Parts: sequence; structure tokens; C-alpha cells
Amino acid sequence: SAVISQKPSRDICQRGTSLTIQCQVDSQVTMMFWYRQQPGQSLTLIATANQGSEATYESGFVIDKFPISRPNLTFSTLTVSNMSPEDSSIYLCSVVVRGQGATDTQYFGPGTRLTVL
Amino acid sequence: LAKTTQPISMDSYEGQEVNITCSHNNIATNDYITWYQQFPSQGPRFIIQGYKTKVTNEVASLFIPADRKSSTLSLPRVSLSDTAVYYCLVVLYNQGGKLIFGQGTELSVKP
Repeated sequence: SAVISQKPSRDICQRGTSLTIQCQVDSQVTMMFWYRQQPGQSLTLIATANQGSEATYESGFVIDKFPISRPNLTFSTLTVSNMSPEDSSIYLCSVVVRGQGATDTQYFGPGTRLTVL
Repeated sequence: LAKTTQPISMDSYEGQEVNITCSHNNIATNDYITWYQQFPSQGPRFIIQGYKTKVTNEVASLFIPADRKSSTLSLPRVSLSDTAVYYCLVVLYNQGGKLIFGQGTELSVKP
């Protein structure tokens, strides 16, 4: 398994500002993902963040709005830029750990609850 | 892309066995099924995963028929603390273990 921490755990921000969320893992992992979960909804994948390459964004998400860094195999950041109230969500990072039989298991962080006023 | 379909909600009582069935008609050969549990304000927690037949761990069993177009998560003797949302997902093996979340099943366990 993997132990994942996120900072901050929650924040309240003003519209037009930016917030950077940090994700730290206790072991080296290749695959890391960022998700958004709006109130009462399921998780939506924002992007895949691999070390040494640019993040790959899902449809509806762009790098200018959600820039991602992945400087090493244990750390990543997601920035929510020029925020609006519609960005109020829980943001979660996850990592993939390869187990026996080459099966992949994804583990999630506790999430960052963002409220934009 | 393999899409999953599962009931939106289920009710149960303490001590009962709960079975949640999920359909995934377009699952690819190398992909497999995984289930997560999520409590409010927490990240999803991995429960169990499998490729075919039956997998059992300390918290649940997963039944996958030969055609792999569906799967059933079985929770034995549920308690109030099992009230949560349960997600059935297909692990996209050729995309590094990528997951695409559906709506999940909201399980309510009553006393």
C-alpha cells in the first residue's frame, strides 16, 4: 500500500486567486493522478502526473487552469488558478502501486477541501 | 472505455449480507475490477480487486463470472459503520492503472 498526505487539508480562498495543493507519498511511485470531487458528486479525473514528463489532462481540464508539477517520484503539486466559486470542491491525489501478478492498485490521499468565495 | 453501471442506492440492516452488483460490458482483456469505499469528507478506500472467479479478503468477497461482464461485491454481516458509497471500477491496465469513476452505490445500513 501507500501512505499519502495532502496539504492543506482545507482552505477558503477569494475568487481570482490561486492555490497550490501538495501531495506527498511515503514511497516512490510512477503513476500519480489528480481528481476533483464536487459536493455530492463522484470523482472526476483531472490529470495524470508522471515524473519526468508533462501531465496529461482529461477532457475539460487545461494546463493553464490546473498546472501540475511532478519533480520526483514521491511528490506532486496541483495549482488551481484564477479561482471562481465553481472551483469549490475536494481535490484528491492518488498513486498507483504495482502488486503481485502485475496488478495495479490505486491509493487515495485524504483530499483538500477548497471553498472559493 | 469500460463504463460501469451499479445501483444508485441500497438499504440493509445490521448483520445482513449485502451484495452489490456492477455491470461492465466493455471490459478489455487486460483490465480488471476493483471496488472502493468512500465515507463523507474522506478519500476513497480500496476494498478488493480481481480479474475473474472469486477473490476474498478480510473485509469482502468479489465474484466475477467467466464472461467478466459483471461483478458482485459481497459484504458479510454489515454494521452501521459500513454506511458509505461503494464504487465499482475497471482498472485500465494499459493506461497505468487509470480509473474512471461512475456514480457509485450509496449503501445505508440501518439498526
